Amino acid sequence: DQQVKQNSPSLSVQEGRISILNCDYTNSMFDYFLWYKKYPAEGPTFLISISSIKDKNEDGRFTVFLNKSAKHLSLHIVPSQPGDSAVYFCAASTTSGTYKYIFGTGTRLKVLA
Amino acid sequence: EAGVTQFPSHSVIEKGQTVTLRCDPISGHDNLYWYRRVMGKEIKFLLHFVKESKQDESGMPNNRFLAERTGGTYSTLKVQPAELEDSGVYFCASSKQGIYGYTFGSGTRLTVV
Repeated sequence: DQQVKQNSPSLSVQEGRISILNCDYTNSMFDYFLWYKKYPAEGPTFLISISSIKDKNEDGRFTVFLNKSAKHLSLHIVPSQPGDSAVYFCAASTTSGTYKYIFGTGTRLKVLA
Repeated sequence: EAGVTQFPSHSVIEKGQTVTLRCDPISGHDNLYWYRRVMGKEIKFLLHFVKESKQDESGMPNNRFLAERTGGTYSTLKVQPAELEDSGVYFCASSKQGIYGYTFGSGTRLTVV
């Protein structure tokens, strides 16, 4: 039973355009969400996070949106750059109790020059 | 600041053999986590140490897996005896403040043949 789902395995976007990566979750107890970026042969790198008390968090070209009623979050990258080409993982957790993350299966983003 | 270090980076062993993976967290990080990614699927939680104590080992697949963190510094994950389904990439991560964006190592790719 997968609690965090990334239904798009891959996405291609033209350089300079917006990339939108989506993530859905099922567990209403999740109150903290993160996005990680992963290059081949490297570990995941933290990108941006959002607490459930917010609906938007922005960091430079990266913005995460959270829709709690729909149990949906998205990562927007504007403008997309070729160096953004990587696998992006959505993760969810609860701030009480264990610190473990539940990850999605990832979306491979390819930014075309 | 040195990152999270894992070794070996790759290991190929035969079914039935024993393998030990090692993780050196960032200095001063009390929280240490092990995760595993199998066959391009989601990254799955294995366990969480706080210093030398196991805080949560709910993700450990079975008793063939043994994790230790002697003295609250580096950690080892031993698989004995290894089975084919244990193949995957094992990631270690550490954090100072629990849940908020941990740092992952580059992983150990384990192949059981």
